[in-house]
Amino acid sequence: RKEVEQDPGPFNVPEGATVAFNCTYSNSASQSFFWYRQDCRKEPKLLMSVYSSGNEDGRFTAQLNRASQYISLLIRDSKLSDSATYLCVVKSTGGFKTIFGAGTRLFVKA
Amino acid sequence: SQTIHQWPATLVQPVGSPLSLECTVEGTSNPNLYWYRQAAGRGLQLLFYSVGIGQISSEVPQNLSASRPQDRQFILSSKKLLLSDSGFYLCAWSVLPGRYTDTQYFGPGTRLTVL
Repeated sequence: RKEVEQDPGPFNVPEGATVAFNCTYSNSASQSFFWYRQDCRKEPKLLMSVYSSGNEDGRFTAQLNRASQYISLLIRDSKLSDSATYLCVVKSTGGFKTIFGAGTRLFVKA
Repeated sequence: SQTIHQWPATLVQPVGSPLSLECTVEGTSNPNLYWYRQAAGRGLQLLFYSVGIGQISSEVPQNLSASRPQDRQFILSSKKLLLSDSGFYLCAWSVLPGRYTDTQYFGPGTRLTVL
């Protein structure tokens, strides 16, 4: 079993749609969680950290479910510019090993 | 503000040739530094990380090596490249780890093709 698993997609959605991605992790000692965005042939960029109580940043909402060991990302009112690959990232506090999921590809169409 | 530089942006090398990729960080002191590789259509694989000058930890045994000759300089090397070394090489930095503060920030990457 992979340490971090994501549905590779692609998710094809129209502009204005709401789309959600899930990511599962296997290490129950994981403490820090992030979502990164990666555009084609570019470096990953931090989208948002994921806090235990859930957090929101504009149209983006991240949730953490420790009991089931998954995190989610919800994108509301999708824009064409949201088209990218979304990477789920998990690490243990104090450690240096950061595990990146393979990513979920999103296409937003007009 | 902090910035991270990588060069070259693209590189085409023959099998068996040496490799040297450089990464430098500006605007921060004593960062943690990381080298990742991303193969086509796959996730990021951590290759090396460093918490200080001359301190290198390897995550995956392979024909690559890393060095940190200065606080904000991280170099990835190989004596003889293999076809399987092709990929997108990314350097990243972070500050001292904490529960939510150890966010990694990536450089623009080097796209390496070994022929």
